[in-house]
Amino acid sequence: EAGVTQFPSHSVIEKGQTVTLRCDPISGHDNLYWYRRVMGKEIKFLLHFVKESKQDESGMPNNRFLAERTGGTYSTLKVQPAELEDSGVYFCASSLPGRWSELFFGEGSRLTVL
Amino acid sequence: AQRVTQPEKLLSVFKGAPVELKCNYSYSGSPELFWYVQYSRQRLQLLLRHISRESIKGFTADLNKGETSFHLKKPFAQEEDSAMYYCALSFFTDKLIFGTGTRLQVFP
Repeated sequence: EAGVTQFPSHSVIEKGQTVTLRCDPISGHDNLYWYRRVMGKEIKFLLHFVKESKQDESGMPNNRFLAERTGGTYSTLKVQPAELEDSGVYFCASSLPGRWSELFFGEGSRLTVL
Repeated sequence: AQRVTQPEKLLSVFKGAPVELKCNYSYSGSPELFWYVQYSRQRLQLLLRHISRESIKGFTADLNKGETSFHLKKPFAQEEDSAMYYCALSFFTDKLIFGTGTRLQVFP
């Protein structure tokens, strides 16, 4: 069974540019989450989708971040325009309906903003 | 605010030695606690959760509400236990609050 896949694995961009990260959850997992780990700090929750609906986006840092999950399948996280402090590893995770605490994580997308 | 504290960034032990990875939390209610692990070049994965009261790969963790702790323990460390360990908390919502992680190094 394929796990959660994320693309790209690493992205290097300049301040002010735009980056779009993609996450494909495990098939059948209605719950999809984005988390972020900034260097030296804890992994922080960004938002949670249930199917195509945003259930909780309380962790999104600001309006430069936009997450979508059209059709309830894969999700994208766009950062526009990127700032230096956006550098970090962005993790996607998914879980079965009703099993929100048993997360299956992707390998993460490392974002470096220069 | 809810917070998870892992005081040690790095814990180094020799194979066969006991291991205790510390985790303290601040939350006034009754949270659900987890340990996640990330082995080298692998994904972050759930190791155990306190409500399961199970031992996984020889690891156990007991929730101590009085001390607000959820330390991870193993009596005899193995080299393959070397990894990054994250303690996490949930107050029965859809999101986890993670600590900063502890890197465990087990030397032969």
